[in-house]
Amino acid sequence: AQSVAQPEDQVNVAEGNPLTVKCTYSVSGNPYLFWYVQYPNRGLQFLLKYITGDNLVKGSYGFEAEFNKSQTSFHLKKPSALVSDSALYFCAVRTPTPNTGFQKLVFGTGTRLLVSP
Amino acid sequence: SAVISQKPSRDICQRGTSLTIQCQVDSQVTMMFWYRQQPGQSLTLIATANQGSEATYESGFVIDKFPISRPNLTFSTLTVSNMSPEDSSIYLCSVERLAGTGELFFGEGSRLTVL
Repeated sequence: AQSVAQPEDQVNVAEGNPLTVKCTYSVSGNPYLFWYVQYPNRGLQFLLKYITGDNLVKGSYGFEAEFNKSQTSFHLKKPSALVSDSALYFCAVRTPTPNTGFQKLVFGTGTRLLVSP
Repeated sequence: SAVISQKPSRDICQRGTSLTIQCQVDSQVTMMFWYRQQPGQSLTLIATANQGSEATYESGFVIDKFPISRPNLTFSTLTVSNMSPEDSSIYLCSVERLAGTGELFFGEGSRLTVL
């Protein structure tokens, strides 16, 4: 089964410093990987995705993610963190739903990012 | 971009009762997805609702507990039946930005607390 793992429950970083939120995947075939962000009391928002092509994917709000096939990782990065980036971040992988042909997203457990002033 | 409205945004319910959550999308979509986010946990897909057919439920979720309606291309409801405290969660409705891309729009969720 397709799955993703987020090894860190929380990441703390000072404003202005680079941030990394880690994600590793386990898939058969080519992975379709996603990052979503959930701000407090809000629904999830799509940040970026990797389907194929360039291993460095750029997304919303200055975030980017690097696909690394040899390490089966898809870490989320930002060169300079903002206090407003504090939120819950979810990595996800697309996987087919048996017997339906639908594609569904399987989410990781989430990583809380806390950016301090 | 799609705008998704969910009602209620939050509710406190008594054990044994049922609650229906409504999801309204501002554009026509083929599939709508219902997720559950239990406290401190990740999102789990409950079911996929395709207009004009029965919803497709994920392992561990059954129609008797989570009946879903999908009367048209912009609306769906999820009912949480015979609730217990274990059903206390945020329930999220979502649709794909573009069919087949995997990029989802989410509603802001319905936070249910069961006493």
